Amino acid sequence: GDSVTQMEGPVTLSEEAFLTINCTYTATGYPSLFWYVQYPGEGLQLLLKATKADDKGSNKGFEATYRKETTSFHLEKGSVQVSDSAVYFCALSAASYDKVIFGPGTSLSVIP
Amino acid sequence: ETGVTQSPTHLIKTRGQQVTLRCSSQSGHNTVSWYQQALGQGPQFIFQYYREEENGRGNFPPRFSGLQFPNYSSELNVNALELDDSALYLCASSAGGALGKDTQYFGPGTRLTVL
Repeated sequence: GDSVTQMEGPVTLSEEAFLTINCTYTATGYPSLFWYVQYPGEGLQLLLKATKADDKGSNKGFEATYRKETTSFHLEKGSVQVSDSAVYFCALSAASYDKVIFGPGTSLSVIP
Repeated sequence: ETGVTQSPTHLIKTRGQQVTLRCSSQSGHNTVSWYQQALGQGPQFIFQYYREEENGRGNFPPRFSGLQFPNYSSELNVNALELDDSALYLCASSAGGALGKDTQYFGPGTRLTVL
């Protein structure tokens, strides 16, 4: 079945460091790909999305490119801030209907 | 435009009891999905409702059931609660429809603790 794999955390970075969180997926058809963020004690917020191959999603300085050839959707940010500390979930939506399949999440802590 | 809202925020129940969680979808959205997020894990799909009909179900037993109302709000009911049902329950709405593929927007969740 469809699945999402992402790098295990926790990840700890200093402020202004470069961030990469790896995500790969397995899916039949052509899924949409998402990154959601969950701040402590809160629900999920959509961070960015891409709906077809080579699309680049971007928001708040975060970027991810839909790479069909490598079945990847890695999240990057050039300079992280303390306020970026959260859990990041890579996810896909199957072509058949709207069910979203999530990866296990990667916890990010940014220290001053 | 109001976002997805859920009630209650927190809930404590004992094993064997029944619980009802509520969700109001985002304005203009006709599809509601429910997810269970255990501590330290990613959300797991429970089921989805479109126009008051169940439109897909994950690997959850029948004691997890739901409803969607004409105004597209929804309820999640869990009978015979077990300790492992302790989790954050998330509701998400979208405008995708029965065969649609659209972004899901999540509510803040209901934290259920089963003692």
